[in-house]
Amino acid sequence: RKEVEQDPGPFNVPEGATVAFNCTYSNSASQSFFWYRQDCRKEPKLLMSVYSSGNEDGRFTAQLNRASQYISLLIRDSKLSDSATYLCVVSMNSGGYQKVTFGTGTKLQVIP
Amino acid sequence: DTGVSQDPRHKITKRGQNVTFRCDPISEHNRLYWYRQTLGQGPEFLTYFQNEAQLEKSRLLSDRFSAERPKGSFSTLEIQRTEQGDSAMYLCASSTRDGYTFGSGTRLTVV
Repeated sequence: RKEVEQDPGPFNVPEGATVAFNCTYSNSASQSFFWYRQDCRKEPKLLMSVYSSGNEDGRFTAQLNRASQYISLLIRDSKLSDSATYLCVVSMNSGGYQKVTFGTGTKLQVIP
Repeated sequence: DTGVSQDPRHKITKRGQNVTFRCDPISEHNRLYWYRQTLGQGPEFLTYFQNEAQLEKSRLLSDRFSAERPKGSFSTLEIQRTEQGDSAMYLCASSTRDGYTFGSGTRLTVV
């Protein structure tokens, strides 16, 4: 089983739709969770951290479910500019360093 | 510019040649990471530095790969005797506890 798993998509959604991505992780000792956004041929950029209590940033909501070992990202009122690959990132302290594992990403295409 | 800088942005090299990439992290970040990313995949961890100490290396980092961070500031990643399978985007990131900031990457093409 992969350490971090994501549905690669693509998710093709119309403008204005709500879309949700899930990401599962295998190591229950994982401590920190993030969503990154990566545009084609560009570097990943931090979208938001994911907190145990859940957090919201405008149209984006992230949730963490430690019991089921998954995190989610909800995008409301999708915009064309949301088209990108969304990477799930899981971090844990391993032997004194922060081990960071990326999922393969979920591709989102917002259609006019 | 206070972001992570990588140089060069693109590198085309012939198989068998050596290449070296440079990463300048955000100055107050003491953690520095190298990742490799191929098309359709997420970034794969290569190595990690805390200040000048290389604390972790992935099994992906064969003996043809070496990384240094001599003064705890910039880092270099060298690939010796490049192979076509080394073609990828090489990403550098530096971090605090709040997240990782990536450089724009060096896209390596081995022909």
